[in-house]
Amino acid sequence: AQSVTQLGSHVSVSEGALVLLRCNYSSSVPPYLFWYVQYPNQGLQLLLKYTTGATLVKGINGFEAEFKKSETSFHLTKPSAHMSDAAEYFCAVSPSGSARQLTFGSGTQLTVLP
Amino acid sequence: SQTIHQWPATLVQPVGSPLSLECTVEGTSNPNLYWYRQAAGRGLQLLFYSVGIGQISSEVPQNLSASRPQDRQFILSSKKLLLSDSGFYLCAWSPGGYNEQFFGPGTRLTVL
Repeated sequence: AQSVTQLGSHVSVSEGALVLLRCNYSSSVPPYLFWYVQYPNQGLQLLLKYTTGATLVKGINGFEAEFKKSETSFHLTKPSAHMSDAAEYFCAVSPSGSARQLTFGSGTQLTVLP
Repeated sequence: SQTIHQWPATLVQPVGSPLSLECTVEGTSNPNLYWYRQAAGRGLQLLFYSVGIGQISSEVPQNLSASRPQDRQFILSSKKLLLSDSGFYLCAWSPGGYNEQFFGPGTRLTVL
């Protein structure tokens, strides 16, 4: 079985500051890892994914995440926050990419302060 | 390109009334389809998934059911809604069993 823990249900940053959203996972097999973003009253949009290969993954809207196997982490970062980044972010893991076994974290609400 | 539609976008229903939410996918064939519920302040709960027409797997016991009458159509139903059925319902698809999921815009259901 796999699980995802997102540390911090709410994160606030100032506009222009670094965004860091934390995600730790557990998986008994090589994981595929995902970050999704959800704007109010909308569906989830895929930001980026890690499958195999390069551990630093770049996604849309200037976000990136690094897979660290030794730390079982997949933290999401963005160098400079924009007001439009305010949303809820979900980390997810699937065992070897099995879509039907995709497990989501509980989400982190990002607030960007002017 | 592929698109996924859900309707209605919002729905307000009295307790005990029936429910039918529809999801359709365009631009792909034989997708895996999923229904999730997102309750206020909580994460995503997988309700059903389907790997083909007429093939439904239920993840949690509840008064909801799902059907897949066509390859790219997925329907979520209930005969009698409960207050606890309120939430944001999301449909998703994946290109087969080993890939990321892509989500629809969701349906906001309020049961009064």
